[in-house]
Amino acid sequence: GQNIDQPTEMTATEGAIVQINCTYQTSGFNGLFWYQQHAGEAPTFLSYNVLDGLEEKGRFSSFLSRSKGYSYLLLKELQMKDSASYLCAALGDSNYQLIWGAGTKLIIKP
Amino acid sequence: ETGVTQTPRHLVMGMTNKKSLKCEQHLGHNAMYWYKQSAKKPLELMFVYSLEERVENNSVPSRFSPECPNSSHLFLHLHTLQPEDSALYLCASSQEDQGTYGYTFGSGTRLTVV
Repeated sequence: GQNIDQPTEMTATEGAIVQINCTYQTSGFNGLFWYQQHAGEAPTFLSYNVLDGLEEKGRFSSFLSRSKGYSYLLLKELQMKDSASYLCAALGDSNYQLIWGAGTKLIIKP
Repeated sequence: ETGVTQTPRHLVMGMTNKKSLKCEQHLGHNAMYWYKQSAKKPLELMFVYSLEERVENNSVPSRFSPECPNSSHLFLHLHTLQPEDSALYLCASSQEDQGTYGYTFGSGTRLTVV
């Protein structure tokens, strides 16, 4: 079957670094997305990886290993506004086959 | 307006009511989606429209009926819903030949069925 696994909840301290992991199993693979969703708001696009390696975008970086079916989102210099849910999604054989994880709720403490 | 706009933001309806959710995108995208988001569950794809034609229906109950009159507008008609249909309903759009840019989501309609 197709599925995505990511931790349900994580807690981190303001100013620190946190890594949110995601493992996936899909029939066909055309990339891995990360989205951020604040409570009561729309999910917003953070990153897309299709090749192995690390993509850095400011305080956020995303890593992909296709052979391991594994990705992580790395958040540095955490700020209180980073408290949100982070959704991992894998793109299958077509543009419509976006398989979603249940999201990781990240709680930032002062 | 820019982005994807959904109305209403909140909706409470009885099981015998009929209501509609509306979605509008101002991005020039050619594909639109309805998703259901329940607490602690993955997003569930309900319907996909590409170039105003429905291309995917993930076995959604007939009490949900989509309509896509043009590439900018998407509706979800609701009738005789059940309490378990209470959830956040998200609309999204994308440009098919630029799938790697991901989806743009609306803020959702929080639906409560009583």
